[in-house]
Amino acid sequence: GDSVTQMEGPVTLSEEAFLTINCTYTATGYPSLFWYVQYPGEGLQLLLKATKADDKGSNKGFEATYRKETTSFHLEKGSVQVSDSAVYFCALSDGQGAQKLVFGQGTRLTINP
Amino acid sequence: GAVVSQHPSWVICKSGTSVKIECRSLDFQATTMFWYRQFPKQSLMLMATSNEGSKATYEQGVEKDKFLINHASLTLSTLTVTSAHPEDSSFYICSARTSGGSWDTQYFGPGTRLTVL
Repeated sequence: GDSVTQMEGPVTLSEEAFLTINCTYTATGYPSLFWYVQYPGEGLQLLLKATKADDKGSNKGFEATYRKETTSFHLEKGSVQVSDSAVYFCALSDGQGAQKLVFGQGTRLTINP
Repeated sequence: GAVVSQHPSWVICKSGTSVKIECRSLDFQATTMFWYRQFPKQSLMLMATSNEGSKATYEQGVEKDKFLINHASLTLSTLTVTSAHPEDSSFYICSARTSGGSWDTQYFGPGTRLTVL
């Protein structure tokens, strides 16, 4: 079945550092890819998405490019802030039927001032 | 933005009792709601998909008689954990998809932590 693998956390960085969180996927079809973020005490929020190969999703300074050849959707940000501290989930949806989401295990990110 | 609430946010119960968790879409109508379970340091695992007015569709390995789902209105879905046991202790999260929005966008509740003693 479909699956998503994220880099192990936790990840700790200093403010203004460059961030990469790796995500790779396995899918039989042509999935849509997502990054969700969960701030402490809150529900998951959609951060960005890409629906086809070579699409780039972006939001709040974060970017991720749908790479079909490497089955990857790595999350990047050029300069992180303390407020970016959260848990980040990579996910895919195969677009079939109910459009169920398959999640990676999540990566906890802590940004120190 | 679309808001989804869950109640309660945490619950502790004795083994053998039943617990009901509510999931509400506060400012939109949700034709489809999803229930997930998350173990510590693990991913969200989809348990079931519910559509308003019809029976829920359960994922393989999820006992439908143990995890009763009711989606009686466009703003409310409930998950009842029947005869709960310590192994049912987990973090339960619901999400909802709007009837008129993007097909691939789900809005998530903050989760309910269940502890069974």
